[in-house]
Amino acid sequence: AQSVTQLDSQVPVFEEAPVELRCNYSSSVSVYLFWYVQYPNQGLQLLLKYLSGSTLVESINGFEAEFNKSQTSFHLRKPSVHISDTAEYFCAVSDMDNQGGKLIFGQGTELSVKP
Amino acid sequence: DSGVTQTPKHLITATGQRVTLRCSPRSGDLSVYWYQQSLDQGLQFLIQYYNGEERAKGNILERFSAQQFPDLHSELNLSSLELGDSALYFCASSIGQGSSYEQYFGPGTRLTVT
Repeated sequence: AQSVTQLDSQVPVFEEAPVELRCNYSSSVSVYLFWYVQYPNQGLQLLLKYLSGSTLVESINGFEAEFNKSQTSFHLRKPSVHISDTAEYFCAVSDMDNQGGKLIFGQGTELSVKP
Repeated sequence: DSGVTQTPKHLITATGQRVTLRCSPRSGDLSVYWYQQSLDQGLQFLIQYYNGEERAKGNILERFSAQQFPDLHSELNLSSLELGDSALYFCASSIGQGSSYEQYFGPGTRLTVT
C-alpha cells in the first residue's frame, strides 16, 4: 500500500527566508507525485507535479520540488518566501499504473510566514 | 475559482440523519472525485466516477454512497450519520480518469453532525 509522510506538521519562517517542506513516500510501484496548497477556507490547488522526465519541477510562483527515487522523497523548496505563501501544503502520491485517479495525501504541513 | 461547485457550503444535522452533498464538475471534465478531510484522518480519497461509471474506491463507509448522473454532476449520500462523520467533504474533477490529469478541487462542504 502507498503512504505519504510529511515530516513537519508546522513550519514557521520569516519573510524572505528560504523554506523546505519535506515529503517522503512509500510505494512498491512507480508513482506520480504532487504538491497541493490549501489557503484558509479554500479548496486545494495544484502547485506542481512530477510525472516523468526531469526530476526537478517548478511552479509559476517560485516553488520547486525534486523527485529523488533512491530516497523516495519529493521535498518542496522556495528560496525566498512571502507572507502570501502562508497556507497548508499537502504532498500526494498516485500509482502510475492505476487506471483511476486516486490520490494518497500526507497529513499536511502548515507554513506560517512571519514579517 | 476552480470551476468546480459544491452545495451546500455548510450543513449541520443530527446523528442518525441522512444528507446529500452535490458537486458540479468543471465544464468538459468527465471524472469526479470525493475526498473527506478531518482533523484525525487527514485528507482521504473516498470514490471516483468517470463518465457515469465508478472507477476507483477508497476508504468509503458502507453508510456512504455516491453516483454520477448523465449531466456529469455527482452526489454523495451520507446516511445514519455519526459524530465522527463531521468533516470537510471535497469534490474534485479532471478531464481524464488517470492520475496524470490535474484534479481541480471545489471549495468543499463542511458537515457538522451534532
